[in-house]
Amino acid sequence: DAGVTQSPTHLIKTRGQQVTLRCSPKSGHDTVSWYQQALGQGPQFIFQYYEEEERQRGNFPDRFSGHQFPNYSSELNVNALLLGDSALYLCASSLEGIRSPLHFGNGTRLTVT
Amino acid sequence: SQQGEEDPQALSIQEGENATMNCSYKTSINNLQWYRQNSGRGLVHLILIRSNEREKHSGRLRVTLDTSKKSSSLLITASRAADTASYFCATDARGGADGLTFGKGTHLIIQP
Repeated sequence: DAGVTQSPTHLIKTRGQQVTLRCSPKSGHDTVSWYQQALGQGPQFIFQYYEEEERQRGNFPDRFSGHQFPNYSSELNVNALLLGDSALYLCASSLEGIRSPLHFGNGTRLTVT
Repeated sequence: SQQGEEDPQALSIQEGENATMNCSYKTSINNLQWYRQNSGRGLVHLILIRSNEREKHSGRLRVTLDTSKKSSSLLITASRAADTASYFCATDARGGADGLTFGKGTHLIIQP
């Protein structure tokens, strides 16, 4: 039973570029949440997708967008990358929202130069 | 903003000793969760305690919740080298619409 998988594991981009990160949820899970974790900090909530719609959103600019597909997998897109977007991006899946425990992937380490 | 704040920021103890970490938060919650993160990896869920519960156990873990003080503690008994990791509390705020809110974590080092 595969857990949450994320790709790629590492990515280096240049300021101003765009990036797409991918996530496959744990089998049986229908909700995907994305978090940004800066070095030495706790994860910060970006948004959550359920039934292919964005259900909740944290305090992130519109440069951050996402999508959920019918098979529950998800993408996180970031446009016009800034140096401050360098972080570990974590995908977490759950069953019907955040009131059940989150299962995290190992993340995508994004470096913006 | 980060609602949960863990204390201490770092803790180093000898293998076999108990480790206690504390978490404070600011608003009313539905539940509070504790997660572990090994260096550079994803977070692993440890335990969830609901707002109407005061104490919960799971193996060597004991979590307490005091909603009047808006605080929680995580106790790891008989620590092992494999317990070395960062530990985060996360709150599910009542009426909140911004996912789980994590603190900055406690970095625990177990010395053999």
